Amino acid sequence: NAGVTQTPKFQVLKTGQSMTLQCAQDMNHEYMSWYRQDPGMGLRLIHYSVGAGITDQGEVPNGYNVSRSTTEDFPLRLLSAAPSQTSVYFCASSSDPGLAGTDTQYFGPGTRLTVL
Amino acid sequence: QQPVQSPQAVILREGEDAVINCSSSKALYSVHWYRQKHGEAPVFLMILLKGGEQKGHEKISASFNEKKQQSSLYLTASQLSYSGTYFCGTEGGGADGLTFGKGTHLIIQP
Repeated sequence: NAGVTQTPKFQVLKTGQSMTLQCAQDMNHEYMSWYRQDPGMGLRLIHYSVGAGITDQGEVPNGYNVSRSTTEDFPLRLLSAAPSQTSVYFCASSSDPGLAGTDTQYFGPGTRLTVL
Repeated sequence: QQPVQSPQAVILREGEDAVINCSSSKALYSVHWYRQKHGEAPVFLMILLKGGEQKGHEKISASFNEKKQQSSLYLTASQLSYSGTYFCGTEGGGADGLTFGKGTHLIIQP
């Protein structure tokens, strides 16, 4: 099993550009989520999905879109990149969306994004 | 609401013990603990579910006091490999994911 994979590992964008961060898992997990991590702020939830076709907003959703067309993939789209979106982005998955606290979350290796 | 972790940072000598606390202002269903080394993804340590149980593996254990909405992570006889940032993630029972604290930086010196 590859676990949770993310691409790219690094990305530099100019203000106003758009891009998609890819996330895939091969564990057949229903629950997937995106976090951003900024210095001194810990991990903050952007969007999450409890299954294919179902997504919802987390703590900091503005400026980001997600979709979940398959169980395996959960891409995160930046519509018009801003310097405030410079961060490290982690994708995570777990097998129990209904009671998210009962199963461990597996994290991807992260994508380091810089917006100039 | 984001749980509050304390202390923010701690420096220990190898072999010393440490306690990291996590408290929340809302009712909790579970608390998750992760360790993250610089430049790497968080790594899962353990989950504590509602019920006040205590868990542990090797020399790392944790407790969960649901009445006080607090959890504590105990590291005994610390090793150099324990260095990193420890995060608690709290979950209220819904499907909206974990809310993480800002982290506690642990430095173990030889």
